Amino acid sequence: EPEVTQTPSHQVTQMGQEVILRCVPISNHLYFYWYRQILGQKVEFLVSFYNNEISEKSEIFDDQFSVERPDGSNFTLKIRSTKLEDSAMYFCASSLGGPGQGFNEQFFGPGTRLTVL
Amino acid sequence: AQTVTQSQPEMSVQEAETVTLSCTYDTSENNYYLFWYKQPPSRQMILVIRQEAYKQQNATENRFSVNFQKAAKSFSLKISDSQLGDTAMYFCAFMKLGNTPLVFGKGTRLSVIA
Repeated sequence: EPEVTQTPSHQVTQMGQEVILRCVPISNHLYFYWYRQILGQKVEFLVSFYNNEISEKSEIFDDQFSVERPDGSNFTLKIRSTKLEDSAMYFCASSLGGPGQGFNEQFFGPGTRLTVL
Repeated sequence: AQTVTQSQPEMSVQEAETVTLSCTYDTSENNYYLFWYKQPPSRQMILVIRQEAYKQQNATENRFSVNFQKAAKSFSLKISDSQLGDTAMYFCAFMKLGNTPLVFGKGTRLSVIA
């Protein structure tokens, strides 16, 4: 059964460094998401991406964050200059359809644990 | 804005017994979706069950069923005949119509004990 995959499973970085988290969505899916979960807190939406552009973003997704689909398979989240408070589990998800297209289940990856020191 | 609250951080249940996980939410929307996701240890979140708010009938999927009380904004998950493989974190989630982002609760860690 197709799955969303994410690499790396764990990333440790120094404060101020750039990190890129990678996701491979399910191959025929068109709509992509990033969520994060700070330890002990709720899973929070960051951004959604459809038709090669950001569809929606939360207030968390500031100028330090960017997303890209550099090729036909990868979907990346870049944090330009990491802060201690960026330490969290980051989840990628994908769904078959986009907004206004009826219900489409979001399939989640296993997450990348980001630790900022 | 929508909020989802899960008031039980941890629960445990004996194998073969029944357990109910609680979830309440707040929204001004009339039509929406509610979900329960399961995240086993070190594995991805998978959808367990979905409820459309416009449907009065409670959703069921094999051993999993929900008690959806729209007026009370309550959405509990009942797991019958609990199995060791049900051990996981369970997240309640809300979604407005139109494939909008999910709004999650904090999760309930369920342990099934042999």
